[in-house]
Amino acid sequence: NAGVTQTPKFRVLKTGQSMTLLCAQDMNHEYMYWYRQDPGMGLRLIHYSVGEGTTAKGEVPDGYNVSRLKKQNFLLGLESAAPSQTSVYFCASSSHQRGSYNEQFFGPGTRLTVL
Amino acid sequence: SQQGEEDPQALSIQEGENATMNCSYKTSINNLQWYRQNSGRGLVHLILIRSNEREKHSGRLRVTLDTSKKSSSLLITASRAADTASYFCATGPTGANNLFFGTGTRLTVIP
Repeated sequence: NAGVTQTPKFRVLKTGQSMTLLCAQDMNHEYMYWYRQDPGMGLRLIHYSVGEGTTAKGEVPDGYNVSRLKKQNFLLGLESAAPSQTSVYFCASSSHQRGSYNEQFFGPGTRLTVL
Repeated sequence: SQQGEEDPQALSIQEGENATMNCSYKTSINNLQWYRQNSGRGLVHLILIRSNEREKHSGRLRVTLDTSKKSSSLLITASRAADTASYFCATGPTGANNLFFGTGTRLTVIP
């Protein structure tokens, strides 16, 4: 049981390049999330998904796209990277029961630098 | 912003002492959660307290919630050097599908 895994762990991009971050979970969770963490800013939600084939915007969605084609995977895409997207990106997943909110399980993070 | 705010931003204590961190928030919530983050790692869930609960314990952790004041506190008793980490509160607003994280308290426990 690997929990939540993220690929890659580190990446350096040049401005304008594109890339996809992959998140995978093996806990059969319905909900998945992408956050970014910047110094002094805490975690900010980029996009999330409440189930296979569905996605929704979070607090800071601009410049990012996501897809949830399979229940266990949640992809975060940067079409044209900008230096402002230099950050640590975390994926998380959770189950959802009876309308109440359950704990989130986090991946180890992806450190992205955009030059 | 629906983020919670932790206080203090940083806390340094001696091993064996208790550490108290506070969280204030602005919206009505379904639940409030506390997470821990070791340097360079992902967040780990510590404890969840629902809006109809006032206090919850888990090992050396004690969490209180006062919905009338929109505040919560996390107490770590008999701290250890291994407790050194950042601690975040996260609120689950009523009707929302996601959590809102605060900016965290950086705890340093000196051996």
